[in-house]
This record gives sequence, C-alpha cells and structure tokens, in this order.
Amino acid sequence: KAGVTQTPRYLIKTRGQQVTLSCSPISGHRSVSWYQQTPGQGLQFLFEYFSETQRNKGNFPGRFSGRQFSNSRSEMNVSTLELGDSALYLCASSRWQFQETQYFGPGTRLLVL
Amino acid sequence: DQQVKQNSPSLSVQEGRISILNCDYTNSMFDYFLWYKKYPAEGPTFLISISSIKDKNEDGRFTVFLNKSAKHLSLHIVPSQPGDSAVYFCAATSPQGGSEKLVFGKGTKLTVNP
Repeated sequence: KAGVTQTPRYLIKTRGQQVTLSCSPISGHRSVSWYQQTPGQGLQFLFEYFSETQRNKGNFPGRFSGRQFSNSRSEMNVSTLELGDSALYLCASSRWQFQETQYFGPGTRLLVL
Repeated sequence: DQQVKQNSPSLSVQEGRISILNCDYTNSMFDYFLWYKKYPAEGPTFLISISSIKDKNEDGRFTVFLNKSAKHLSLHIVPSQPGDSAVYFCAATSPQGGSEKLVFGKGTKLTVNP
C-alpha cells in the first residue's frame, strides 16, 4: 500500500507570496492532518480534514488555510508568506477521524526568503 | 505553554544497552500517548502507543511506560541498535481533541554508538 505523498518536496518563496502544498493520503484513509515543524517550536498542529470538512484547527493565523477533496486529497495554502513560515510542513493521514494512528508523509520543506 | 515536554534534547547510548527517553505532560485530559521516530528528510513514523487505562505497552524491543499520577511516560529501547538513531517525538491527545489534535513534544535526538 502506497504511503502518504506530499508535493512538492522543496519550495523556495519570497515574502508576500502565497504557496499551495498538496497531500495524498494512504488509500482508504479519510482523515488528513497538517503539521508545521520548526526547530524552535517542534511539531505543531495546523488543522484536520475529514470528509471534506475541517474538523479541528490549531492556533495559526488565518493566512493558513486548507481544503480536502472528495478523493481525500488535501491542499494547504499559506498566503502573504512571512520569513517565520519557513518550516517543514507535514501531512498525516488516518483511516478515521481522531485517536487513530497517523501516518506521516515526508513533508514539504518551505523556505521563505 | 508547552503541554508535552521532552526535557532532553539529545541522548547518546552504546549499542546493546538500554535507551530511555522521557516525556512529561501537563494536561490531565490527555488519555492517549504515542511515540514517533523521525529520520532526517522523512516524516515521523509511528512507533508505539499507550492508552491511559494501561501503564505499560510492549512491542518487541520497544516498551512504553505510563505513570499517570506523575504525568510522565517513557520509552525504553532494549537492546539499542545503531539503526535506532533518530529523533523521537512523544505525542498526546485527549478524547475530544479539540483544536489541538496531537500535541507533540520537541523531540529527543537519540544516537546509538556502535
């Protein structure tokens, strides 16, 4: 069974731009969660989507948004990029919503210059 | 306010010996705990979990212990192998999850020396 895939793997943007990251969950998984990993803050939860609806949201500004499609694939968008948005963005999928073991993708490394 | 703390950023052990990674939490609503292992350039990989109704869960060389009164859990790796060298994240979650889903610690980098 293929794992969670994320595209692109690496991305360089400049301040003020916007970016869209993509995540394809494991086949049959309907929940997709997004996390931000930075050296200072560790892994922080962004939001979770299940059946195309955002179910949970972490403490991030509205510049961070996402959506999920009917095939469970998810996209995350960050608008008006700031230097502090440079991070590894991880996507994780699970079969059902919540308290289910999550399987992580390799992440997208975003660098904002 | 960090709800899940891994106070040791790094740990170094000899191959064949025991590795003990510690994790403390502050939220008494947490009832499910997980350990993830992360290699460079890869996403975290689920390792082992424990529910708050248990105090120990074992899977091969990996054992997780939970002390609810102390709000402390630990991961024991016996015997440690060089391939275990990675960053280990402790994570916790509560029944409703709320806006936090999984709350992670900042990780402990384990180095197992041959």
